[in-house]
Amino acid sequence: AQTVTQSQPEMSVQEAETVTLSCTYDTSESDYYLFWYKQPPSRQMILVIRQEAYKQQNATENRFSVNFQKAAKSFSLKISDSQLGDAAMYFCAYRSYDSGGGADGLTFGKGTHLIIQP
Amino acid sequence: EADIYQTPRYLVIGTGKKITLECSQTMGHDKMYWYQQDPGMELHLIHYSYGVNSTEKGDLSSESTVSRIRTEHFPLTLESARPSHTSQYLCASSHDQGQGFWFGGNTIYFGEGSWLTVV
Repeated sequence: AQTVTQSQPEMSVQEAETVTLSCTYDTSESDYYLFWYKQPPSRQMILVIRQEAYKQQNATENRFSVNFQKAAKSFSLKISDSQLGDAAMYFCAYRSYDSGGGADGLTFGKGTHLIIQP
Repeated sequence: EADIYQTPRYLVIGTGKKITLECSQTMGHDKMYWYQQDPGMELHLIHYSYGVNSTEKGDLSSESTVSRIRTEHFPLTLESARPSHTSQYLCASSHDQGQGFWFGGNTIYFGEGSWLTVV
């Protein structure tokens, strides 16, 4: 079974600054997908960024980028130029490559609450 | 972003009532899911479906039931609501067969959620 660990229950950053949220995972699989989801106070789960494990190039989406270290099983999220609208819970998630094998194949971390200081 | 719609967004009902939470998606996704999430807590998968006429129970036991008569529709029903059912219910979908990752394949997309309060 896979596990996802987010060691920072809460992070705070000044508006316009950069913040990095950490995520580590444990798996015996070689192929898998990794995701960061954002859940603002409205409670909708919004996809922020995603990464395929076999791709060494780190994914980027505008102000969001990841640092994917496969050997270290680390998948951190960097948010540049933080904005007030970035305030939310951020969940790191692992999905098995063979998700058709059963259920959703998705394992979530417990989340990091990101606070943006104006 | 995927187009997944949930209704109602907010519902307050009395104990013993029957309720149905609706979920529809317009992308033709084959797999659909229901998650339950209490405030400040992690998500738990309660139901999923591989396609029409397929329903399976998830990791967390739930007294709710689901059906999948049409590809785009995956409603969740509680026959007799209780205060312990108070929670947020998130519907999601994905397309896992034959679609490249960078075209949205193998990615789970979520709806806006339905907040259920049973009094």
